[in-house]
Amino acid sequence: SQKIEQNSEALNIQEGKTATLTCNYTNYSPAYLQWYRQDPGRGPVFLLLIRENEKEKRKERLKVTFDTTLKQSLFHITASQPADSATYLCALDLSGDKIIFGKGTRLHILP
Amino acid sequence: GAGVSQSPSNKVTEKGKDVELRCDPISGHTALYWYRQRLGQGLEFLIYFQGNSAPDKSGLPSDRFSAERTGESVSTLTIQRTQQEDSAVYLCASSSSKGLYGYTFGSGTRLTVV
Repeated sequence: SQKIEQNSEALNIQEGKTATLTCNYTNYSPAYLQWYRQDPGRGPVFLLLIRENEKEKRKERLKVTFDTTLKQSLFHITASQPADSATYLCALDLSGDKIIFGKGTRLHILP
Repeated sequence: GAGVSQSPSNKVTEKGKDVELRCDPISGHTALYWYRQRLGQGLEFLIYFQGNSAPDKSGLPSDRFSAERTGESVSTLTIQRTQQEDSAVYLCASSSSKGLYGYTFGSGTRLTVV
């Protein structure tokens, strides 16, 4: 069966450290993979998109990797801040018609 | 508009009643998507529009759910004879260029069926 799994429901990281979130998938061949941030009571906000032929994408303190052999993406936040606390969602783009979301990882940055 | 607008933001309805949820996408975005998010759960795909046609309705949970879109503008999600398990946040998103720049989501409609 097809699955998208994000490594843990919740992750606590000390302020200033690098937070690393994992997204694994099975039985999909996504053209793109996206990461979103969701705050309580709000809709998800798009952060980064990475294509299947790209290994790594960066945006400010964010870095995403995409390994289509391992069927895994890693999402890194460097120099983490309490304001980075949110739920982060991995999403697989299936040929551009729709994206399928993982359940998300709640990230807590501890001051 | 500047963002995706959804209305109402909250809706409480009695079991068995029909409800209509509205989504105003970003002007110029040809694609529009509806998702459902139950409490503490991930986003569940419902339906996708390209213009006013719906190539993928595979996520609609039952024939009580339907959606339509006027041109490349407003979309309405209708739930008939609501059930308690329909209680959730219904999120709408729009995108251009097949989502290559990500999807822009509204804040959702929180539906509570009592």
